[in-house]
Amino acid sequence: SQWGEENLQALSIQEGEDVTMNCSYKTYTTVVHWYRQDSGRGPALIILIRSNEREKRSGRLRATLDTSSQSSSLSITAAQCEDTAVYFCATAEMLSGSFNKLTFGAGTRLAVCP
Amino acid sequence: EAAVTQSPRNKVAVTGGKVTLSCNQTNNHNNMYWYRQDTGHGLRLIHYSYGAGSTEKGDIPDGYKASRPSQENFSLILELATPSQTSVYFCASGDARGAEQDTQYFGPGTRLLVL
Repeated sequence: SQWGEENLQALSIQEGEDVTMNCSYKTYTTVVHWYRQDSGRGPALIILIRSNEREKRSGRLRATLDTSSQSSSLSITAAQCEDTAVYFCATAEMLSGSFNKLTFGAGTRLAVCP
Repeated sequence: EAAVTQSPRNKVAVTGGKVTLSCNQTNNHNNMYWYRQDTGHGLRLIHYSYGAGSTEKGDIPDGYKASRPSQENFSLILELATPSQTSVYFCASGDARGAEQDTQYFGPGTRLLVL
């Protein structure tokens, strides 16, 4: 799992396998973001799950959120080579009506294909 | 067309020198952010802004200043650069209101090396 000052995690899988990445967070949040970062680029949001959604799907992605255990997961079904990237979870803290502060986990480096 | 751009993309600076990193967004977002990312770690918030003329301290503001002269532009300034500020810096824009609520859009990053 990933959070805070923990170092980047690494996973290596074969094409076609399923994979799940976990994230635990410390502070109260009503939404967890999952971002993907390709090498040499900035992160990009891939899925966002709110506290009233326990599970959210987008294509081959599935996110879960358990507010009681303060944890979230991101699953990729039938991974493909192009899924190789670093995946971050982030929690959003509403500081005002128009501003959210994101706190990022350390990330999981996923390698699919040699 | 890239909505968040950063310049320069790479920078080598000397210790004690002044460094300015620039960010421009065409998303018309009110909020802009500066993060740094160190090898093997997640992003940490340095400064953010609610709109033109505003700057706020994030989680690690020491050694950095920010400037938001317009809706589109947000700069990060290192008045006296130190080797510990060697990192990759990302700018982002976002708007917590409306349909894109909570999403932040990141630029490609600036790789800074302080010698």
